[in-house]
Amino acid sequence: QVQMQESGPGLVRPSETLSLTCNVSGYSIINGYFWGWVRQPPGKGLEWIGCKYHRGDTYLNPSLKGRVTVSLDTSTNHFSLKLSSLTAADTAVYYCARCFLGISVSGSRDPNFDYWGQGTLVTVSS
Amino acid sequence: SYDLTQPPSVSVSPGQTASITCSGDDLDRKYVSWYQQRPGQSPSLLIYRDTKRPSGVPERFSGSNAGNTATLTITGAQAVDEADYYCQAWDSSTVFGGGTKLTVL
Repeated sequence: QVQMQESGPGLVRPSETLSLTCNVSGYSIINGYFWGWVRQPPGKGLEWIGCKYHRGDTYLNPSLKGRVTVSLDTSTNHFSLKLSSLTAADTAVYYCARCFLGISVSGSRDPNFDYWGQGTLVTVSS
Repeated sequence: SYDLTQPPSVSVSPGQTASITCSGDDLDRKYVSWYQQRPGQSPSLLIYRDTKRPSGVPERFSGSNAGNTATLTITGAQAVDEADYYCQAWDSSTVFGGGTKLTVL
């Protein structure tokens, strides 16, 4: 059974960089799948952040590009999120997830995220 | 950017059928996934590739996708199905719908 657990600071100051880690157990991230992040501002809907494959393919939300880095550490079986230039709008519950991004017959991606962490609340405030 | 539109809320009586829609341009040319998020919990995958259910998802949940609208159908809704539901698709990047709160009363 795949299990995922986020860790990181609960409070970050504006303009700083958020660093979160997701520890994966029950599956080796080098065996396949993309690995990524989704966030949810309090009382609002889901926002995809990005997904990365162990061989390097990376997809990022265009609205966050330039501020986001997703990296994988296959030696310790965890992956990380860095989000820079934080503002209050980045306050959210951050989830890590296993991302399936298959290729559909039309050549487009076929996305579904089948395992999720429990989420960690990050508040951006001075 | 690509938008997926869901109704903010849907209500259903216990035992009845609930339908939650997700609309987007040429949506039937994309694969749609659906997620359930109960209060205080992480989202969980309910339907993928328009119609497929992961192992463990009850048969009362089904999906369809035609034209510009994908639909999640809950046949015989139960109180435990009260949750937020999100659709997802891909258009250059992955997009979630705004979510629909299902009330069973």
